[in-house]
Amino acid sequence: ILNVEQSPQSLHVQEGDSTNFTCSFPSSNFYALHWYRWETAKSPEALFVMTLNGDEKKKGRISATLNTKEGYSYLYIKGSQPEDSATYLCAFCPADSNYQLIWGAGTKLIIKP
Amino acid sequence: NAGVTQTPKFRVLKTGQSMTLLCAQDMNHEYMYWYRQDPGMGLRLIHYSVGEGTTAKGEVPDGYNVSRLKKQNFLLGLESAAPSQTSVYFCASSYSSWAGDEQFFGPGTRLTVL
Repeated sequence: ILNVEQSPQSLHVQEGDSTNFTCSFPSSNFYALHWYRWETAKSPEALFVMTLNGDEKKKGRISATLNTKEGYSYLYIKGSQPEDSATYLCAFCPADSNYQLIWGAGTKLIIKP
Repeated sequence: NAGVTQTPKFRVLKTGQSMTLLCAQDMNHEYMYWYRQDPGMGLRLIHYSVGEGTTAKGEVPDGYNVSRLKKQNFLLGLESAAPSQTSVYFCASSYSSWAGDEQFFGPGTRLTVL
């Protein structure tokens, strides 16, 4: 059974501080890795889709890196703001899965003003 | 553009009752998905569709049926609801099946089975 682990489960960060969290996935048979942001009472929204080892993507203060050989991706948030409070989901797509995503349980980020 | 919409937003059923959840998208996406989300777990794929008239089983299909009669709609049916089907159900769509395509999600349906 393929497993996607996200750590930590939850995180409290002071406004203005930078933070990062991890998504771990099987290192073999990699096809793609997705990151989504899920705000309370809203739908998950895509942040990044990464397909190549060494990929780095950036959107404003949020960036992500990908290491397919060791099976992890980091999501970084620089200078956290209250609007960054959300659950961040990652999803792994193995090459032989009919492109079905396997989702982690998420990291819940709470920004303290 | 409404994106992906789901009906209803909330529902309470008694064990053994049936219901249908409706998902609609206006982005002309080929692929549509039904997920369930349970506390402490990742989204789990119930069924998906690769185009009008086609459906396929996902990770947790038992107790559910689906239909995709029109490209823009994807219906999820529970024939005889069980308490284990208490969950939040999300519909999603994507332009294609390529793993690099992001999925667009609906707002979710919170279902409670008593």
